[in-house]
Amino acid sequence: SQKIEQNSEALNIQEGKTATLTCNYTNYSPAYLQWYRQDPGRGPVFLLLIRENEKEKRKERLKVTFDTTLKQSLFHITAAQPADSATYLCALQGSYQKVTFGIGTKLQVIP
Amino acid sequence: DGGITQSPKYLFRKEGQNVTLSCEQNLNHDAMYWYRQDPGQGLRLIYYSQIVNDFQKGDIAEGYSVSREKKESFPLTVTSAQKNPTAFYLCASSRPVTTNTGELFFGEGSRLTVL
Repeated sequence: SQKIEQNSEALNIQEGKTATLTCNYTNYSPAYLQWYRQDPGRGPVFLLLIRENEKEKRKERLKVTFDTTLKQSLFHITAAQPADSATYLCALQGSYQKVTFGIGTKLQVIP
Repeated sequence: DGGITQSPKYLFRKEGQNVTLSCEQNLNHDAMYWYRQDPGQGLRLIYYSQIVNDFQKGDIAEGYSVSREKKESFPLTVTSAQKNPTAFYLCASSRPVTTNTGELFFGEGSRLTVL
């Protein structure tokens, strides 16, 4: 069965450092991979989308890589700030509309 | 403002009762989704609809029902057959994946508690 793995343990980093979150998947050939941010009690907010034929995507302090051979995506936040503290969700989408989410990784940026 | 509106935000239900959660969008999106989120867990797909009058079961559809009679609306009914309905329910919409955008826009969620 399809499986998406994110480090379910919280990630704590110092302010100003780079946070790196990992998303691994099995039994899936996604056309798109997406990253979302979710704050407690709120709906997720879309951050970045990367297609299967793209290696890297950047948006301001965010960078996403997508390795279809390793079946892995890395999500980087450079110069992390306390306001970046949230849960970050990885989501996979095939050629149809179905979108499947990972469990998310909770990021805590310490001042 | 364009967006997705879910109601009610909080809902309490007695065991054995059906309850319907509302989801309305004015983004002119074709696709709509319902997810369930439990504490410490990710989002699990209940149902999704790619177009009006059509919908597909997600990974945990048992005990739930939906309808898609209008493009703007995708209500979810939690039936008495759902064994553990207490959860945070999230509705989302998106443009068709063929337009190469695909990102989901979420509502603020409905928190259902069964007493």
